[in-house]
Amino acid sequence: DTGVSQNPRHKITKRGQNVTFRCDPISEHNRLYWYRQTLGQGPEFLTYFQNEAQLEKSRLLSDRFSAERPKGSFSTLEIQRTEQGDSAMYLCASSLDHRGAGNTIYFGEGSWLTVV
Amino acid sequence: AQKVTQAQTEISVVEKEDVTLDCVYETRDTTYYLFWYKQPPSGELVFLIRRNSFDEQNEISGRYSWNFQKSTSSFNFTITASQVVDSAVYFCALSEGLGGSEKLVFGKGTKLTVNP
Repeated sequence: DTGVSQNPRHKITKRGQNVTFRCDPISEHNRLYWYRQTLGQGPEFLTYFQNEAQLEKSRLLSDRFSAERPKGSFSTLEIQRTEQGDSAMYLCASSLDHRGAGNTIYFGEGSWLTVV
Repeated sequence: AQKVTQAQTEISVVEKEDVTLDCVYETRDTTYYLFWYKQPPSGELVFLIRRNSFDEQNEISGRYSWNFQKSTSSFNFTITASQVVDSAVYFCALSEGLGGSEKLVFGKGTKLTVNP
């Protein structure tokens, strides 16, 4: 399977615990994105990387959230001191940047987080 | 500011019926991209189409067709002869700019149920 891979697919955690999600983008894709989706809503942009550089962060990304892409390949999204409002699906996506041409963004299957 | 409106929350049809999913967008940019994604129960967002703001030609791909009208800021999606496998949530999305972050702004989605 050469698509965007995310794990774990499901995570149940107690409020206050830390969780980390991993994303492996499509090989050679230099852009990687994180989105969050709650029930009945469309995905909302959180952050994106161009190679290893984090170039944009949404206001949705509070101080408890941190994303990294240390070698420009896989990425991790960590949520510290989880709250019930963090319960959502976290979607990773990747694209190959063709400047001026517009990119197609491919999504993974998402990681479901339930905070109890 | 960018905005995507999918006014139809849920649609239910009987197999073999044609169905059109509406999408209206708002943007101040003259260069932008429009997308449709399908989200089956598994959660993965499946890319269907990307259209740039300079190309108003309608597109057909098998049973799927898209009607892009800049005059009404709409990018509607029609499924002809619907099948049960078409049942999913469909999202319309918008990104602005050439070579930008390609951050997608999604509508809230339309849940399509195709009954046998």
